[in-house]
Amino acid sequence: DQQVKQNSPSLSVQEGRISILNCDYTNSMFDYFLWYKKYPAEGPTFLISISSIKDKNEDGRFTVFLNKSAKHLSLHIVPSQPGDSAVYFCAASAVGQGAQKLVFGQGTRLTINP
Amino acid sequence: ETGVTQSPTHLIKTRGQQVTLRCSSQSGHNTVSWYQQALGQGPQFIFQYYREEENGRGNFPPRFSGLQFPNYSSELNVNALELDDSALYLCASSIPLPGNYGYTFGSGTRLTVV
Repeated sequence: DQQVKQNSPSLSVQEGRISILNCDYTNSMFDYFLWYKKYPAEGPTFLISISSIKDKNEDGRFTVFLNKSAKHLSLHIVPSQPGDSAVYFCAASAVGQGAQKLVFGQGTRLTINP
Repeated sequence: ETGVTQSPTHLIKTRGQQVTLRCSSQSGHNTVSWYQQALGQGPQFIFQYYREEENGRGNFPPRFSGLQFPNYSSELNVNALELDDSALYLCASSIPLPGNYGYTFGSGTRLTVV
């Protein structure tokens, strides 16, 4: 039962171009969504989040879009930089989940080519 | 401000053995969560501890247990190890404020069961 899915295991983008990472979810009780970035031998680090009452949140080069009717969110990185090469995880939290349990997708490995 | 530290970084155990993993939370964080990340998968929620009590549990059997100490550090114990327990175990600390979904993750303990 994969409630959060990232269907692209990997993505390769040229430096300076836009990177778009996608995430789909099935649980309509999810009310908060987050993106984490993970480098090898390090723990995931928080990147950006969005509440279900919004459809867009922007932070510098990073923008997250949420389409609730499609149960889909995406992370846009523009312009992409070599340091953005990492594994990106989409995560979701459900309404009333007092334990702040996050449900993660499988991750997408982003490679930025010079 | 120190981050989340986990020990050991790597561990090899034999099937049927028991293991204890340790985590020191970030300064000021009173909540600790544990996640299991199998190869090629996203992190999966094991359980969370708040004020030394278990505060939510994922779909893991009772042989996965934990403790939180008065200084907010935590242990994850796994009994009767199975080969499928081989994974990266991540500890994350946080402050359970309304609307705060931010975790600080440690770098993890890589457990190999042979």
